[in-house]
Amino acid sequence: ILNVEQSPQSLHVQEGDSTNFTCSFPSSNFYALHWYRWETAKSPEALFVMTLNGDEKKKGRISATLNTKEGYSYLYIKGSQPEDSATYLCASPGNTPLVFGKGTRLSVIA
Amino acid sequence: DVKVTQSSRYLVKRTGEKVFLECVQDMDHENMFWYRQDPGLGLRLIYFSYDVKMKEKGDIPEGYSVSREKKERFSLILESASTNQTSMYLCASSNRDRDYEQYFGPGTRLTVT
Repeated sequence: ILNVEQSPQSLHVQEGDSTNFTCSFPSSNFYALHWYRWETAKSPEALFVMTLNGDEKKKGRISATLNTKEGYSYLYIKGSQPEDSATYLCASPGNTPLVFGKGTRLSVIA
Repeated sequence: DVKVTQSSRYLVKRTGEKVFLECVQDMDHENMFWYRQDPGLGLRLIYFSYDVKMKEKGDIPEGYSVSREKKERFSLILESASTNQTSMYLCASSNRDRDYEQYFGPGTRLTVT
């Protein structure tokens, strides 16, 4: 079974701080890397789907990079706001359509 | 907007009951998925389907079955509910290819007593 690892498990930052977290995955047979944001009491929502080595995607203050050769992706949040508080999940196709990491739980303190 | 709906937000059932969790999507997606989410374990795939009447086992299919009689509807069945099936259940759908994002429903929190 494909192993997708995320770190850290949780993170507390002050409003206005920038932060980043990591997703690592096996670099062999890579197909795609997904990032989702899951806010409390809501459904997970896709942030990015990345497929190419060196890919960099951006949505507002959130961006992600992808290194398929070494098997990692970073998610960056610039100037964190309380509404960024959520669990951030990454996932990659393996033997099943998507294998999810356990997530990074971000709390932004006002 | 893609919409994935699930039949209940909260459900309480007794051990041994047969439980049906329904999921409907309105975007003509080929793929549909059932996950469960437990603290410390993340999202784990139970079953998925690439087409009507097709089903594939995910990582944790034991104790569950599924039904997909229509493209828009994917049902998860707990034949005889047990307390270790108390969990949050999430349905999702997507277009066919693996680089298409999945769209999730709001989840059903099932408690088996």
